[in-house]
Amino acid sequence: DAKTTQPNSMESNEEEPVHLPCNHSTISGTDYIHWYRQLPSQGPEYVIHGLTSNVNNRMASLAIAEDRKSSTLILHRATLRDAAVYYCIFSGSARQLTFGSGTQLTVLP
Amino acid sequence: NAGVTQTPKFQVLKTGQSMTLQCAQDMNHEYMSWYRQDPGMGLRLIHYSVGAGITDQGEVPNGYNVSRSTTEDFPLRLLSAAPSQTSVYFCASSYRWTGELFFGEGSRLTVL
Repeated sequence: DAKTTQPNSMESNEEEPVHLPCNHSTISGTDYIHWYRQLPSQGPEYVIHGLTSNVNNRMASLAIAEDRKSSTLILHRATLRDAAVYYCIFSGSARQLTFGSGTQLTVLP
Repeated sequence: NAGVTQTPKFQVLKTGQSMTLQCAQDMNHEYMSWYRQDPGMGLRLIHYSVGAGITDQGEVPNGYNVSRSTTEDFPLRLLSAAPSQTSVYFCASSYRWTGELFFGEGSRLTVL
């Protein structure tokens, strides 16, 4: 079962960096790590994904541990619009992406 | 660019009724999937498809049927609606099953 472990909630101050952790100890060598976020009353939105090396895009950075059993999503400067539920997922042995409960990020002005 | 289109956006059913939630994508994506999201919960995978003519069950398939006769369309059928199927349903697609998922806006279903 492709399970990840994330904190239920986190808080950040606006304009400060946010590090969202995720544990995925059962990940295999070929599974990509994906991050999505869901704003209130919207469908999930892709944030970033990676396999082994750290990844950067315009939204965020993804830092993957050397043993790949954990990863961290980094929002470099949190804004109020970043308040959302963030999901860390990987595909596991089946061709399906299973979403857990995610981390509710609150951004304080 | 329409992306992933779901219809209807809202639907109220009575217990025992059947209906189909439509999902269409115009990105020529091979992979499509259906999720349900109950209040305050994460998404749970119902069914998915890796290409036309191929479907498979996800985490919570009971009470739902799917088919994939074309690359573009992936309808979800509720056979006999139950109150436990009250939820928000999301359709998603991606070029490959390992790639970025694009989600529709969701269909809110209430079963009385």
